[in-house]
Amino acid sequence: EVQLVQSGAEVKKPGESLKISCQGSGYSFASYWLGWVRQMPGKGLEWMGIIYPGDSDTKYSPSFQGQVTISADKSINTAYLQWSSLKASDTAMYYCARRATYYYALDVWGQGTTVTVSS
Amino acid sequence: EIVLTQSPGTLSLSPGERATLSCRASQSVTSTYLAWYQQKPGQAPRLLIYGASSRATGIPDRFSGSGSGTDFTLTISRLEPEDFAVYYCQQYGSSKEITFGQGTRLEIK
Repeated sequence: EVQLVQSGAEVKKPGESLKISCQGSGYSFASYWLGWVRQMPGKGLEWMGIIYPGDSDTKYSPSFQGQVTISADKSINTAYLQWSSLKASDTAMYYCARRATYYYALDVWGQGTTVTVSS
Repeated sequence: EIVLTQSPGTLSLSPGERATLSCRASQSVTSTYLAWYQQKPGQAPRLLIYGASSRATGIPDRFSGSGSGTDFTLTISRLEPEDFAVYYCQQYGSSKEITFGQGTRLEIK
């Protein structure tokens, strides 16, 4: 079964750092682009960026460039999303999703990681 | 950057009725790279339609997609109770950028 499993919910204080993960299984992880999507409470989906684990080629949304870092370790089939200094406005659900080889739709989604930033 | 505008924002219908959801792009979108997703409360989005008109694996045939250029449509022919959810369109651009519409909430009338 093809699946993406994300790390658990996080509660952090403003200014703290954080790295969340997304582990793929059931397919060739290194050969598919993997994206990150933010969903703030009660809001829509926002694309953050996308990475190709095979060579770590990464593309960021202009809205998130410089705000987060996307990385991947193909040896353990895992992608990461990290922040160096969290803000309250980073409170959201974060999803990873695999980009299909053809048609480029996001065909497999992780279950989501809730990040809460509060003092 | 391509902007996708979905309408209506909220659609109130009854089970058994036909739903028509619209997605309009600020500039022409390659149909190959236009997708639709369904999201239910507390769940991750689920791919419904890719390539503007192809159903993803396991998606019932009451869901259909159409359109080209700047105007795309998701149609649900006969609404089932489980179809009431939020629907998003999404496009993938030539520079690897991804854009989502703001969503249409389909609610029970």
